Amino acid sequence: NAGVTQTPKFQVLKTGQSMTLQCAQDMNHEYMSWYRQDPGMGLRLIHYSVGAGITDQGEVPNGYNVSRSTTEDFPLRLLSAAPSQTSVYFCASSLSTGTGLYEQYFGPGTRLTVT
Amino acid sequence: GNSVTQMEGPVTLSEEAFLTINCTYTATGYPSLFWYVQYPGEGLQLLLKATKADDKGSNKGFEATYRKETTSFHLEKGSVQVSDSAVYFCALLAGGTSYGKLTFGQGTILTVHP
Repeated sequence: NAGVTQTPKFQVLKTGQSMTLQCAQDMNHEYMSWYRQDPGMGLRLIHYSVGAGITDQGEVPNGYNVSRSTTEDFPLRLLSAAPSQTSVYFCASSLSTGTGLYEQYFGPGTRLTVT
Repeated sequence: GNSVTQMEGPVTLSEEAFLTINCTYTATGYPSLFWYVQYPGEGLQLLLKATKADDKGSNKGFEATYRKETTSFHLEKGSVQVSDSAVYFCALLAGGTSYGKLTFGQGTILTVHP
């Protein structure tokens, strides 16, 4: 298993440009999520999905869109990049089995700089 | 709302020193608690977890005990190694409809010198 993969590893955008960060997992996990990591702030949840066709907002969703057409993929779209979106983005996935405890598996991250 | 507070870093220790990283939380209900570790250039890995009061999570010589009375989950290791240098995150997972939505502390950078 490759686990959780993310592409690209690094990206530089100009203000106003759009792009999609890719995330894929091969563990048949139902739950997937996107976090951003900023210095001194830990990780904050952007969007999450509990299964194909179902998504919801996290703590900091503004400026980002997601969709979940397959179990494996959960892309994150930046509609019009802003310098405030400069961050490291992590995708995570976990099994969903009701009310139990699930370990979340994280991808290696995408470092995004918006100039 | 839910929140996690970690001790301010960075923490610098010599090899074989004792490590404590403090973590306290605020949550409704009975959350599950985690420590994640992030090595340089990598994603986060689960280090240990505890699901109920008085549970002790342990892994790779690290330990943390879920203390409901003090709402704490402090991370300890008796003898750190250079390879333990990383960023450590405390996190909680609240129950109910917020399952899967981790709330993280701000992270503590640990550097261990030979």
